[in-house]
Amino acid sequence: DAGVIQSPRHEVTEMGQEVTLRCKPISGHDYLFWYRQTMMRGLELLIYFNNNVPIDDSGMPEDRFSAKMPNASFSTLKIQPSEPRDSAVYFCASSLTDTFSNTGELFFGEGSRLTVL
Amino acid sequence: AQSVTQPDIHITVSEGASLELRCNYSYGATPYLFWYVQSPGQGLQLLLKYFSGDTLVQGIKGFEAEFKRSQSSFNLRKPSVHWSDAAEYFCAVGSTGFQKLVFGTGTRLLVSP
Repeated sequence: DAGVIQSPRHEVTEMGQEVTLRCKPISGHDYLFWYRQTMMRGLELLIYFNNNVPIDDSGMPEDRFSAKMPNASFSTLKIQPSEPRDSAVYFCASSLTDTFSNTGELFFGEGSRLTVL
Repeated sequence: AQSVTQPDIHITVSEGASLELRCNYSYGATPYLFWYVQSPGQGLQLLLKYFSGDTLVQGIKGFEAEFKRSQSSFNLRKPSVHWSDAAEYFCAVGSTGFQKLVFGTGTRLLVSP
């Protein structure tokens, strides 16, 4: 498998612009997570989906952030309008719930580094 | 709510020396505990996990961790560090159903020659 694929790897934009980050989870995985990593706050869970349905979005910082998962192989995280404090590395991760082995391992993408000027 | 504390921000170890990274958690029930490693510019990779059973768990790359309920700790160890182990290490605790992980702030490991 190719692993979790994120795009773009790097994004530089100006304040006020819309940003869309994309993620393709590992095929067959039923959970998808969006994390944000900053020096100040570490790794924060923003939202996660189960079978394409958002389960917990309590980590989404504000209404400027939205996430969708239109099908099992694609998810987007959108920031509109973007602000300099949104600068961070955004990670997508997926996992497979196996009721027999209960591995619960998260597989992470390489991240999208966002810089908002 | 669960939380994880990694008290060491940076640790420097000589190549070939032993390593112990500390992790303390707060969780009311039996925790699911994980250690992940992040190399520069990369995503996180699972080193090992504890769900139940033997409190000493073995992971990849020669790492092991010991769950101590009485101390609410899950410290990561390696008997002999290699230069390629230089990375950032994250401890994480899972809630019921383990789908939602809370990560510590990470410990950056530097390996000196």
